Amino acid sequence: SQQGEEDPQALSIQEGENATMNCSYKTSINNLQWYRQNSGRGLVHLILIRSNEREKHSGRLRVTLDTSKKSSSLLITASRAADTASYFCAPNLSGGYNKLIFGAGTRLAVHP
Amino acid sequence: DGGITQSPKYLFRKEGQNVTLSCEQNLNHDAMYWYRQDPGQGLRLIYYSQIVNDFQKGDIAEGYSVSREKKESFPLTVTSAQKNPTAFYLCASKSSLGTGANTEAFFGQGTRLTVV
Repeated sequence: SQQGEEDPQALSIQEGENATMNCSYKTSINNLQWYRQNSGRGLVHLILIRSNEREKHSGRLRVTLDTSKKSSSLLITASRAADTASYFCAPNLSGGYNKLIFGAGTRLAVHP
Repeated sequence: DGGITQSPKYLFRKEGQNVTLSCEQNLNHDAMYWYRQDPGQGLRLIYYSQIVNDFQKGDIAEGYSVSREKKESFPLTVTSAQKNPTAFYLCASKSSLGTGANTEAFFGQGTRLTVV
């Protein structure tokens, strides 16, 4: 399957700590996207990293991509209670641009 | 405001009934998607459409049907053949500019369907 698999399934941390989530995939990709979902809501796009990029930053978010290992990581620095949500990766398959598949996600809980 | 709208937010269905979930977008996106999400689970792709009058089955299309008569609209019908339809349904759209490879998806706020 082209979908990403996130790890861990759940993560519980204290405010101020960093949170790292990982994503593995199986096929060649054009890019990999990370999304966030607050409970009972739609997904919101966080960041897109292209296959020729190794690292990308957006505010407190840092995404890395290792195409040789077919893996990506999302780091949230100095986490806040408001970061509590589920996080999903979506590898965008080479040649299958418009088929968007998601994994099971990582459920992050940030405690005050 | 540009966006993607799903309606209704909550929907109740009696066993044996068909129900239709609405999804409308004014983002001028070519690609649209329907996903199903069960409690504590990820998103599973039901159907997607890359262009008007064309759509493809996703991983769990059985018991569902769609149409794409207009670019702005991609309604999902949950038929009586879907034996376990209680779930949260999400619609999304995405630009297909160029190859569409490096564009993000925009999601609606979801419809929660319950069988009563």
